[in-house]
Amino acid sequence: DGGITQSPKYLFRKEGQNVTLSCEQNLNHDAMYWYRQDPGQGLRLIYYSQIVNDFQKGDIAEGYSVSREKKESFPLTVTSAQKNPTAFYLCASSRFGTSGSGNEQFFGPGTRLTVL
Amino acid sequence: AQSVTQPDIHITVSEGASLELRCNYSYGATPYLFWYVQSPGQGLQLLLKYFSGDTLVQGIKGFEAEFKRSQSSFNLRKPSVHWSDAAEYFCAVGAWAAGNKLTFGGGTRVLVKP
Repeated sequence: DGGITQSPKYLFRKEGQNVTLSCEQNLNHDAMYWYRQDPGQGLRLIYYSQIVNDFQKGDIAEGYSVSREKKESFPLTVTSAQKNPTAFYLCASSRFGTSGSGNEQFFGPGTRLTVL
Repeated sequence: AQSVTQPDIHITVSEGASLELRCNYSYGATPYLFWYVQSPGQGLQLLLKYFSGDTLVQGIKGFEAEFKRSQSSFNLRKPSVHWSDAAEYFCAVGAWAAGNKLTFGGGTRVLVKP
């Protein structure tokens, strides 16, 4: 079955440590996205990538880094510079077609990160 | 810049009653509009989408939404809710000109009374 997988489902980190969240998709989508969700809030865009070896900052990129070496993979690293990293992290992917095609995003199950 | 407002943070509805969730957006051109649903601790599932054409769109699970350009709204409706509809609902707006990024509203949590 096609879809998006995120691992691990739960992640615990000590303050001062970097941690990497995995996101893999087998939908053959060009674009991938990382969002952060805090309790009672909507989703905020961290980084996105429209093509391999290229990515752009979203609204809250500080303290995060990404890479896009393969079309199907878009890992997110939460660095020690992120002041408040405890949150639910969601990865998404979509086609990236021509104007007017409207490409909905499909979401993974999420990773809950807790900083101890 | 695009923005989305969901005025209702919480809505409580009785099982079998109708449901309407409000969504207002701000965007200079024709937007793409989406409704997603999220169960606790899960990812988001697409309920329905509007790109162009018929302003009344049908989605999964018996949901529908109507795009009203004059009111910049995209409200979600269901004629008769089921207990399984208890979840959080997010409206989102996207546009090709914005790099296909989505902007989400803050969400509306729906509670269903038996």
